[in-house]
Amino acid sequence: EAGVVQSPRYKIIEKKQPVAFWCNPISGHNTLYWYRQNLGQGPELLIRYENEEAVDDSQLPKDRFSAERLKGVDSTLKIQPAELGDSAVYLCASSHSGEVIKTEAFFGQGTRLTVV
Amino acid sequence: EDQVTQSPEALRLQEGESSSLNCSYTVSGLRGLFWYRQDPGKGPEFLFTLYSAGEEKEKERLKATLTKKESFLHITAPKPEDSATYLCAVTGANSKLTFGKGITLSVRP
Repeated sequence: EAGVVQSPRYKIIEKKQPVAFWCNPISGHNTLYWYRQNLGQGPELLIRYENEEAVDDSQLPKDRFSAERLKGVDSTLKIQPAELGDSAVYLCASSHSGEVIKTEAFFGQGTRLTVV
Repeated sequence: EDQVTQSPEALRLQEGESSSLNCSYTVSGLRGLFWYRQDPGKGPEFLFTLYSAGEEKEKERLKATLTKKESFLHITAPKPEDSATYLCAVTGANSKLTFGKGITLSVRP
């Protein structure tokens, strides 16, 4: 079974430029997460989708970040314009979530963003 | 707000020297506690899920335990290939997956 696929793996951009990350979750997983991980820190949630609905985007900097999950499968995270402080690893994860049982989330390899 | 605190921040062990990693948590309505392993440049790799106090799970040299306030990841006779960052995360009633900062484990041959 294929895991969570993210692209690109690495991205270097100049500040004020736009950037987009793509994620394809595990087939059948209804929950999709975008996390940001700074060096030496744990992942921090940016947004969580249940199917195509964003159910938790309280930590997403909405002035410059946007995300979408069309048809409840693939997802795209965009930053426009990028700032130096956005340099980090952006992780996508997916899980199968029901009303009672919360199953484990599986992560992709991440996209390492460097803003110069 | 859910919180996860992991200690120590870093741990250096000699090969074969057993030890434990701690994860303290506060969460409203625990629905699951998760342990992940993360190697440099890679995404977190799932290890264990624990759902209720008293539960234990084992995998090779690793054993995870859970109480109402904390979880331990016990490493028995570690090998250099066990060197990695170990992340703890919880999900509560709000279904949000909250991570700690991780513990960096180094095992010397």
